[in-house]
Amino acid sequence: NAGVTQTPKFQVLKTGQSMTLQCAQDMNHEYMSWYRQDPGMGLRLIHYSVGAGITDQGEVPNGYNVSRSTTEDFPLRLLSAAPSQTSVYFCASRALSKDEQFFGPGTRLTVL
Amino acid sequence: DQQVKQNSPSLSVQEGRISILNCDYTNSMFDYFLWYKKYPAEGPTFLISISSIKDKNEDGRFTVFLNKSAKHLSLHIVPSQPGDSAVYFCAARFGNQFYFGTGTSLTVIP
Repeated sequence: NAGVTQTPKFQVLKTGQSMTLQCAQDMNHEYMSWYRQDPGMGLRLIHYSVGAGITDQGEVPNGYNVSRSTTEDFPLRLLSAAPSQTSVYFCASRALSKDEQFFGPGTRLTVL
Repeated sequence: DQQVKQNSPSLSVQEGRISILNCDYTNSMFDYFLWYKKYPAEGPTFLISISSIKDKNEDGRFTVFLNKSAKHLSLHIVPSQPGDSAVYFCAARFGNQFYFGTGTSLTVIP
């Protein structure tokens, strides 16, 4: 099992550019989520999904879109990147019957 | 406003001694609490958890204590080992959302 995988590992964008952060899991977990980690702020929930076709907003959803067309994949889209979105992004998944989340290795995004 | 707080950004302990990491929360509706450990350039990994209906959970060297009246939880690591050096995050669950603290960087000195 690869667990939770994220691509790319690093990305630099210019203000206004769009991009998609990819996340995939092979554990058949119903729940998937995206967090951002900023200095002094811990991890903050952006969006989450409890199954294919179902998504919901977390603490800091503005500027981000998600979709969940399959159980395995949960991409995060930045439609028009802003410097405030410079952060480290983590994807995580869990079985709905458990509380433990499995995290991916993260994507470090810089927006200039 | 931060619903889960870790007021100590860093902690240093000698190898073999006890490490105590603290976490406070404000929302009495949280029903599950978790601790994660994070090494640099990696994602967090799950360590231990506790339900809000319990006051203690133990797993090997790790014990989590929950004081609901004080809205406080703590993680005890005994004995501490150099490999425990990492950033520790506490997290709390409400519904399908998880709220994380800002982390405490633990250094275990050999």
